[in-house]
Amino acid sequence: DIQMTQSPSSLSASVGDRVTITCRASQSIRSYLNWYQQKPGKAPKLLIYAASSLQSGVPSRFSGSGSGTDFTLTVSSLQPEDFATYYCQQSYSNSYTFGQGTKLEIK
Amino acid sequence: QVQLQESGPGLVKPSQTLSLTCTVSGGSISSGGSYWSWIRQHPGKGLEWIAYIYYSGSTYYNPSLKSRLTVSVDTSKNQFSLKLSSVTAADTAVYYCARGGGGGGAAAFDYWGQGTLVTVSS
Repeated sequence: DIQMTQSPSSLSASVGDRVTITCRASQSIRSYLNWYQQKPGKAPKLLIYAASSLQSGVPSRFSGSGSGTDFTLTVSSLQPEDFATYYCQQSYSNSYTFGQGTKLEIK
Repeated sequence: QVQLQESGPGLVKPSQTLSLTCTVSGGSISSGGSYWSWIRQHPGKGLEWIAYIYYSGSTYYNPSLKSRLTVSVDTSKNQFSLKLSSVTAADTAVYYCARGGGGGGAAAFDYWGQGTLVTVSS
């Protein structure tokens, strides 16, 4: 299995801050990396697919970059509704795997 | 707008079989080349992909669960189903159905059901 490791595991930030979450794959996954946001009691929501493509309806303050083994999700200016847990997921291997999650909390 | 809804028992006894169904609305399960997946989340933990299926019945299973898994599709009802046998407490989780899967790398899960909690307990 391809292992996905996110950092940090948790992050405290304020409204208006720019934040970056990192995801590292245990082998190259080219650009087959997706990002999700999950709020408590809700299903995950797709934010970014193929490393850098913004899913329809997702605010442009979210962006993704990277290829190979190292990827980032950036929120340019945090809004109150952005405080949630974020997961990366690789789709290079048919046996899809997710990162362990990054919990973004209000400072 | 595609919508997915999981249904099935919320409580399963150890050693028995967990059975869930996902009903797709707002679109045909057999159109558009879509694949359909099951994903679970242990309480307070991360996400684990379980399996995907195509409307033709073609499947791919998580190797760690493969020996206990059966996923099937019923195009006439616009549903796909999950059966996980010989369950233990470790299978207690919220189970989600989602659109996405298939080979070739472009497997993002863009539509999700609300999730259903299945508890394994006697």
